[in-house]
Amino acid sequence: DADVTQTPRNRITKTGKRIMLECSQTKGHDRMYWYRQDPGLGLRLIYYSFDVKDINKGEISDGYSVSRQAQAKFSLSLESAIPNQTALYFCATSQGVGETQYFGPGTRLLVL
Amino acid sequence: DQQVKQNSPSLSVQEGRISILNCDYTNSMFDYFLWYKKYPAEGPTFLISISSIKDKNEDGRFTVFLNKSAKHLSLHIVPSQPGDSAVYFCAASKYNFNKFYFGSGTKLNVKP
Repeated sequence: DADVTQTPRNRITKTGKRIMLECSQTKGHDRMYWYRQDPGLGLRLIYYSFDVKDINKGEISDGYSVSRQAQAKFSLSLESAIPNQTALYFCATSQGVGETQYFGPGTRLLVL
Repeated sequence: DQQVKQNSPSLSVQEGRISILNCDYTNSMFDYFLWYKKYPAEGPTFLISISSIKDKNEDGRFTVFLNKSAKHLSLHIVPSQPGDSAVYFCAASKYNFNKFYFGSGTKLNVKP
């Protein structure tokens, strides 16, 4: 079984709709991250959380919000989706300082 | 403004030869660097890392070289195998912060 899972894997939505992407992990890690990948830009950090009570904005947090429901769960919401949020979204986890990050399989989102 | 850059979007090499993937960074505060490999429809997976106290780290067929004065790192794969065909991302961080900046990726194609 995968250590980091993301649901849904693919989603098509319309402009203005609210959408939630979910991430769960069984690695027992405290730190969780949301990234988006766009062609030619690599992965950019949206939000990160170092524990359940700690939420931080990343490079490109505008238009997104997150919820850390438990150590194992970290959700990303688009309150009102827009076409330029079409991207591949990755969740990642890590144990602590200097530790490598483990990525989920990604969610491909298309906003029409 | 991208702090980590991979200027070659793609690279093609023959099986058995050396693959050299390059990465440049602009932030002199970065002191921890990683390479990730990504296959289609999967999340990135950790490959190899190096801290700024070293200039070389080797793991089997993979070696990462760090040139701090040039703010440049490279990944050497010797010998290259068809299974190495993937997108390779470099990432950089300040070690005690665990927030990573990723390059845009280089797609490696190893021809049989």
